[in-house]
Order: sequence, then structure tokens, then C-alpha cells
Amino acid sequence: EPEVTQTPSHQVTQMGQEVILRCVPISNHLYFYWYRQILGQKVEFLVSFYNNEISEKSEIFDDQFSVERPDGSNFTLKIRSTKLEDSAMYFCASSAGTSGNNEQFFGPGTRLTVL
Amino acid sequence: GQNIDQPTEMTATEGAIVQINCTYQTSGFNGLFWYQQHAGEAPTFLSYNVLDGLEEKGRFSSFLSRSKGYSYLLLKELQMKDSASYLCAVRANDYKLSFGAGTTVTVRA
Repeated sequence: EPEVTQTPSHQVTQMGQEVILRCVPISNHLYFYWYRQILGQKVEFLVSFYNNEISEKSEIFDDQFSVERPDGSNFTLKIRSTKLEDSAMYFCASSAGTSGNNEQFFGPGTRLTVL
Repeated sequence: GQNIDQPTEMTATEGAIVQINCTYQTSGFNGLFWYQQHAGEAPTFLSYNVLDGLEEKGRFSSFLSRSKGYSYLLLKELQMKDSASYLCAVRANDYKLSFGAGTTVTVRA
């Protein structure tokens, strides 16, 4: 069964450093998303991406964040200068469509720890 | 803004039935999803409702009333492996899901 994959599973970084989180969405999906979940809190939407551009972003997704689809398979989230409060689980998701029962499939997540 | 409320915790006995309620107030509505999330893992899709009524899928059923901004997830014949967090999520527009805080269900033997 096709699945979303993410690397690395765990990333530890120093405050102020740049990190890139990588995702491989399901191959025939067209819509890609990033969410984050701070420990013990709810899943929060960050950004959606379609046709090589951002479709929507939340207030969390400020100038420190960027997304890219560098090739036909990868989808990345970059945080330019990490802060302590960026520590969270980051989930990538993809979907075939945005209406009807086109659910979003979530990857296993990258746990980001900022020291 | 989006406001999605669900109980924090529920406990039930193996073999029993549990109903998890979700109320929502969102700026738009394009479907309601229920996801299951085991600790430290990704959310996995359980069910989808966009029209009023009940959708049944094996041991899991989900109900929606759009006029009341209300949904529930019904888990029947509970098994120990059903111990998890259950997330109510509303798709208010085309792109993003807005999640509730999740209901942690503990199944006891």
C-alpha cells in the first residue's frame, strides 16, 4: 500500500541553525501539506502546496519557513533559523484531491528538537 | 476562526461501545474527518462525513449534523488496540484540516 515517507525520523539541532525536513508524498498525489504537533497539543496546519506553489498558509508559517518541491518526488520544509518553540513533531501529508472523500494521508513524522 | 471541541479523555471496557462527540464552529465546511493517532505516530484516517447522517465502516461509525455543528465517532466491540487518541478534523476550505485537541480513549480489560 502506498505511503508517505519522511526523513529523518528525529532531528536535533541548535537554536539558530537551519533545518530541512524531507518528505516523499504518495506518487500520484497532487496536494501536499505540512502540519506540526507540539508535544501534548493538537495537530496544527502549517502550509498546503499545489502546482508548485503555496495554496494556503497559517499564521505559524512565517518568513522563517519555506517549502519546496525540488524534483518530482520530494517535498521539503525548511526552517531558516530555528527557535526553541519550533520543537515539535512535523507531519507531511498528501492527498489526491481536495474535495469529497479525498483524505489526507500522513507520514510518520519528524521529531524536531531544538536545543 | 475555527473552534473544534471534543472531550479530553474517555475510558471504556473491552467489548463495550464508546461514543466520542465533536462540536465545531468553522468559517466554512467541506467535510469532517476522524483520525486515529497512537502515541508518537501519525494520524491515520478512519472516516469521512460531508452529508448529514451515519456512515458505517466495520466497528467504526461516524455521524454528522451540519445544522448543529456536531459529529460523533462510535467505536463498537472495543479492543485493547483501540486505545489511542481520536482526532476530529474539519476541512473548512479546499486545503487545510483544522483539528480538535483529540480524545484519548483508554480500553481496560
